[in-house]
Amino acid sequence: IVLTQSPATLSLSPGESATLSCRASRSISTYLAWYQQKPGQAPRLLIYDSSNRASGIPARFSGSGSGTDFTLTISSLEPEDSAFYYCQQRYNWPPITFGQGSRLE
Amino acid sequence: QVSLVESGGGVVQPGGSLRLSCAASGFTFSDYVMHWVRRAPGKGLEWVALIWFDGNTRHYAESVQGRFTISRDNSKHTMYLQMNSLRGEDTAMYYCARDHEIAGRMSLTFDFWGQGTPVTVSS
Repeated sequence: IVLTQSPATLSLSPGESATLSCRASRSISTYLAWYQQKPGQAPRLLIYDSSNRASGIPARFSGSGSGTDFTLTISSLEPEDSAFYYCQQRYNWPPITFGQGSRLE
Repeated sequence: QVSLVESGGGVVQPGGSLRLSCAASGFTFSDYVMHWVRRAPGKGLEWVALIWFDGNTRHYAESVQGRFTISRDNSKHTMYLQMNSLRGEDTAMYYCARDHEIAGRMSLTFDFWGQGTPVTVSS
C-alpha cells in the first residue's frame, strides 16, 4: 500500500493551524499512524489508529479519516512544531509502509 | 523509563557486513515485538524488519530480504540486525523501535525509538 502525503512543504506562522494530508492507494480502514521527526532526533508517535493521541501528546494534535483519506491537524502552531511529519499504515503488511513525509516550517 | 540504544553502525564497503545492536531497558523486553526502521539521507522512513516476542517469527522488507537477519536475545534485553551484502542504498540512519501495544496486543506502530546508529556503505 502506497501512502502519498501532501503538501510536501507547508510554511505557516505561530498561532495558525496546519493541515497535513495522507492518501492511501487503497482502503486501510483506520489503521493509520502519524509521527513527528525533528532534525537529529528520533521519530515520535503522535497519533495511532487515525484519531487516537499517543501518550503525552498535546491536544493541539488531532487526527481524522478512514478508508483512503486522512488528516493530521495541528492547531495553535508553535515554533517547536517545525518538523517532518510521516504517516504510516499497518492494515496490509508486510511491508509496513510510510508516506514520503511532509515538512512543516 | 523506556530506553533504546543502538550501536554498531559505521562505514563499510559495498558487499560488506555489519551487525547492529539495540539495547533495551525500562520495560519487559520479552513482552514486546520489536522493529528496525531506517531513514536514508534526504528520504523518508522505511520499515526494515520486525521480530516477534520470542524471536520465532520474523518479517522483512523486500529490499533487505535474504541479506539482513533480525534476531533478539531476551536474556540480554537486546535486539540485533545482521546486515550482509551491503549496498549503497542501505546507507541510512538505523533506528530500533518498540511496537506499540493496543489493548495488550501488538499494533505494528512504534511508540518508542532509539536515537539511531548511522550506516554508510561506500568504497
